Amino acid sequence: NAGVTQTPKFQVLKTGQSMTLQCAQDMNHNSMYWYRQDPGMGLRLIYYSASEGTTDKGEVPNGYNVSRLNKREFSLRLESAAPSQTSVYFCASSESRNYGYTFGSGTRLTVV
Amino acid sequence: QKEVEQNSGPLSVPEGAIASLNCTYSDRGSQSFFWYRQYSGKSPELIMFIYSNGDKEDGRFTAQLNKASQYVSLLIRDSQPSDSATYLCAVTYGNAGNMLTFGGGTRLMVKP
Repeated sequence: NAGVTQTPKFQVLKTGQSMTLQCAQDMNHNSMYWYRQDPGMGLRLIYYSASEGTTDKGEVPNGYNVSRLNKREFSLRLESAAPSQTSVYFCASSESRNYGYTFGSGTRLTVV
Repeated sequence: QKEVEQNSGPLSVPEGAIASLNCTYSDRGSQSFFWYRQYSGKSPELIMFIYSNGDKEDGRFTAQLNKASQYVSLLIRDSQPSDSATYLCAVTYGNAGNMLTFGGGTRLMVKP
């Protein structure tokens, strides 16, 4: 049982480049989330998907897009990376409000 | 603006002592409360959740909730050096998608 799998674990991008962060869960959870974590800022919600076929903006959506490909997979795309997007990105999934999140291992992204 | 506040620390306690971590939240509509532990360079892992006023115990951990005061705490009894980590408080408002709002975390250091 792998839980939540994120790829890649590390990535360095040049300003203006694009990339997609992949996330997949094998727990049959309905809801999935993308957060970023910055020093002194805590975890901030970028986008979420309450169920397959739906996506919504979170607190810091600018510069990002998402796709809920199916119930298992939820990807995050940076169309034109900026240094301000240097961060650690976590994907998470949830069964319901009563059980909190299961997090992936994170992607450490550096934009130079 | 739904906010979750934590003292960033570090909170330093000697091995064997009780560590007390505190969290306040701004919205009285909050329904569920979670404590996550995050080791440096790792992803958050769920320790406990609590929904009702009062105490909830799980091994060395006790979560305490006081909705009237909008206050939730985590007590760690018999603290061990392996408990040294950042502890994140998170709150959900029961909305569709079960989004969590996280506090900035408290860094705990348990000294041998």
